[in-house]
Amino acid sequence: NAGVTQTPKFQVLKTGQSMTLQCAQDMNHNSMYWYRQDPGMGLRLIYYSASEGTTDKGEVPNGYNVSRLNKREFSLRLESAAPSQTSVYFCASLPATGVSPLHFGNGTRLTVT
Amino acid sequence: GQQVMQIPQYQHVQEGEDFTTYCNSSTTLSNIQWYKQRPGGHPVFLIQLVKSGEVKKQKRLTFQFGEAKKNSSLHITATQTTDVGTYFCALNSGGSNYKLTFGKGTLLTVNP
Repeated sequence: NAGVTQTPKFQVLKTGQSMTLQCAQDMNHNSMYWYRQDPGMGLRLIYYSASEGTTDKGEVPNGYNVSRLNKREFSLRLESAAPSQTSVYFCASLPATGVSPLHFGNGTRLTVT
Repeated sequence: GQQVMQIPQYQHVQEGEDFTTYCNSSTTLSNIQWYKQRPGGHPVFLIQLVKSGEVKKQKRLTFQFGEAKKNSSLHITATQTTDVGTYFCALNSGGSNYKLTFGKGTLLTVNP
């Protein structure tokens, strides 16, 4: 099992460009999450999907959209990138709602110039 | 919304010294989790605490959950260079959707 796979690992964008961050998990987990991590800010939840077919906003959703394509895949889209979106993005998954640990991908380091 | 404070933000110790990080919530928690992130890595789950006053140990790591279920601590005895990283608490206040709110983390550096 690969666990949670994120692509790409690194990306540089110019202001105004768009891109989609991909995330896939092969553990048959129900819930999937997107976090961003900035120095001194910890991990902040952008969007999450409690189950296939549902998505909800987290703490910092502005400037992002998500798609839960199927049970395995949860993508994060930046329609018009801004320098404030320079960050490390982590995708995570969870077996079921309830008491379970998050499984994280290796992250995508995004720079917007 | 749920507030979580984690202190200290940074801690530098000599190898062999002890280390403690604290996590405090503004609300009563259903459970709390702890994660470790090595430099350049991703967060990795360490442990989950559920019961009031619970204490769990993993080798040199001791985790405590407060009696009121509003605070928690992680204590490392006799730190080693392998302990370097950022330690995060993650809170779940309950509800039908499972959302974890992370503290800002404590970055631990260890001088050999």
